Amino acid sequence: GESVGLHLPTLSVQEGDNSIINCAYSNSASDYFIWYKQESGKGPQFIIDIRSNMDKRQGQRVTVLLNKTVKHLSLQIAATQPGDSAVYFCAESLYGQNFVFGPGTRLSVLP
Amino acid sequence: EAQVTQNPRYLITVTGKKLTVTCSQNMNHEYMSWYRQDPGLGLRQIYYSMNVEVTDKGDVPEGYKVSRKEKRNFPLILESPSPNQTSLYFCAIGRDGNSPLHFGNGTRLTVT
Repeated sequence: GESVGLHLPTLSVQEGDNSIINCAYSNSASDYFIWYKQESGKGPQFIIDIRSNMDKRQGQRVTVLLNKTVKHLSLQIAATQPGDSAVYFCAESLYGQNFVFGPGTRLSVLP
Repeated sequence: EAQVTQNPRYLITVTGKKLTVTCSQNMNHEYMSWYRQDPGLGLRQIYYSMNVEVTDKGDVPEGYKVSRKEKRNFPLILESPSPNQTSLYFCAIGRDGNSPLHFGNGTRLTVT
């Protein structure tokens, strides 16, 4: 697999538990945020997005929370499955310019 | 479904030998972009394009060129590659600059 995750923080969770992955973003003016999942040997895959006029958005088994006061984004994964094991990135942008990606978190699902 | 095709998937070359990494899309999206991914540094944008004949620098454009002569293609050109350009490269597309990006599967480049 690719070596992009060598220096990443790791979150380990039991299969079936809920996972919470956190991200601190840098620009208080950013108005669009995305979570991506990257599996070994593949490109990042879109999971869910949220605009700055929202605090929460839900998808299938995933929820994104946005706290603009402290510039914090979180991704909640319900009933974590082995297939959720991957590296997760948040990304921010302002007015459609230049997405800036966070460093990523490796999620490891334990059987 | 959005498809982003990068070629080659793996490339080993020597310092100074010009190379091109191709990227094509099947979605007629306006926005295309190149990123490099390095351990500890995450994804960094090299160049992006909002439409045909419109390209702009990202965060790390030095040593790279791009062109957008037609909507579906966005090649990344390294005129004189150096070892510090050894990296994993991703092409990404979006409906516009304010939409989710869809990524290709990457090109692993090694410059010796």
